[in-house]
Amino acid sequence: SQTIHQWPATLVQPVGSPLSLECTVEGTSNPNLYWYRQAAGRGLQLLFYSVGIGQISSEVPQNLSASRPQDRQFILSSKKLLLSDSGFYLCAWRERGRIMNTEAFFGQGTRLTVV
Amino acid sequence: AQTVTQSQPEMSVQEAETVTLSCTYDTSENNYYLFWYKQPPSRQMILVIRQEAYKQQNATENRFSVNFQKAAKSFSLKISDSQLGDTAMYFCAPQSIQGAQKLVFGQGTRLTINP
Repeated sequence: SQTIHQWPATLVQPVGSPLSLECTVEGTSNPNLYWYRQAAGRGLQLLFYSVGIGQISSEVPQNLSASRPQDRQFILSSKKLLLSDSGFYLCAWRERGRIMNTEAFFGQGTRLTVV
Repeated sequence: AQTVTQSQPEMSVQEAETVTLSCTYDTSENNYYLFWYKQPPSRQMILVIRQEAYKQQNATENRFSVNFQKAAKSFSLKISDSQLGDTAMYFCAPQSIQGAQKLVFGQGTRLTINP
């Protein structure tokens, strides 16, 4: 069966510090991968998605970047965090072959607080 | 660009009542799928129900059903005999061929079931 791991669960970082959130998927290959941010009590904002190794599409210009160094690994990074980067970050995956009708599976999320 | 509108930021009903959450979307596609996800207080995203746009019959999953109006681009979720465990954020997510690589959500409806 497929599983998705996302860590850390909680993170408190000072303004100006770097960020690295990691997401890995097990039990599947060639997944589509997604990073979302959710502000408190708000909707899911798609940040990045990837359809393959090294292929990253950015939805919102901002202080963050994403990388996919391996097929089932998706990393969200920042060189210098801003207060506005605080939020709940979710990683998700979906099967590549049947995009339309397949559901997405989500990690447990990372609550990031920038202080 | 695909847009999704959930016009009810918050709703509250008594246990055992029926509640309907609305969702409208904009797409030029003729064939697509629609999903409803829930995010309980644990913040784990869970698929509730999916609908195929080419099917006229509305999808049902136990107490959950949809009212799909293709011409109106409307996809509402009905929860019958609501339970305390239905308390969650609910997100609508249409999925079309053109936007097949993305997964975009509405802003969500926060549903509270009161005892």
